[in-house]
Amino acid sequence: EAQVTQNPRYLITVTGKKLTVTCSQNMNHEYMSWYRQDPGLGLRQIYYSMNVEVTDKGDVPEGYKVSRKEKRNFPLILESPSPNQTSLYFCASSEGGKAFFGQGTRLTVV
Amino acid sequence: QKEVEQDPGPLSVPEGAIVSLNCTYSNSAFQYFMWYRQYSRKGPELLMYTYSSGNKEDGRFTAQVDKSSKYISLFIRDSQPSDSATYLCASREGGANSKLTFGKGITLSVRP
Repeated sequence: EAQVTQNPRYLITVTGKKLTVTCSQNMNHEYMSWYRQDPGLGLRQIYYSMNVEVTDKGDVPEGYKVSRKEKRNFPLILESPSPNQTSLYFCASSEGGKAFFGQGTRLTVV
Repeated sequence: QKEVEQDPGPLSVPEGAIVSLNCTYSNSAFQYFMWYRQYSRKGPELLMYTYSSGNKEDGRFTAQVDKSSKYISLFIRDSQPSDSATYLCASREGGANSKLTFGKGITLSVRP
């Protein structure tokens, strides 16, 4: 089954404790991206990657890092999380301009 | 002005009603227009995908784009409780990897 898998689905952490949210896709897509979804603000792109070792900033990249060492994986890294990064995060992979989203990771930073 | 504006909602309709969801956009370079449906605690899923102006029908769903007025619409006929979800419009410029710009989403509730 074609899918985008994120882990974990839910995460509560403390300010400053580094964390990684994993994302994996099995559709052999070159383009992957990360979004955050906040009430009243909608979906905003954090980072995207056009292929292995090619990443670029989206609209709200501050406080986040990404890497793309393999085509299928695109982890999101928060080196020092802060409460304003409490949000619902989605990974997506795209082909032909059509994005396929993971199930989401609800992150709470206290 | 945000590039894609969407009616804020929420919207509640009785089962069987015709639902009209609308967005406007400001970027004249947008060529592709999409509607995503997002159920509670799930990721968005692509519902409709259209290129340029015109209508596209898929079962009970019709997507309509009017590029002259920069207006995007989604019509749902014979709405069902299972249509209760958040609907997000999205647009992008040409080029397979151009960025998707989303509206904020509208939550639809269909009452049995």
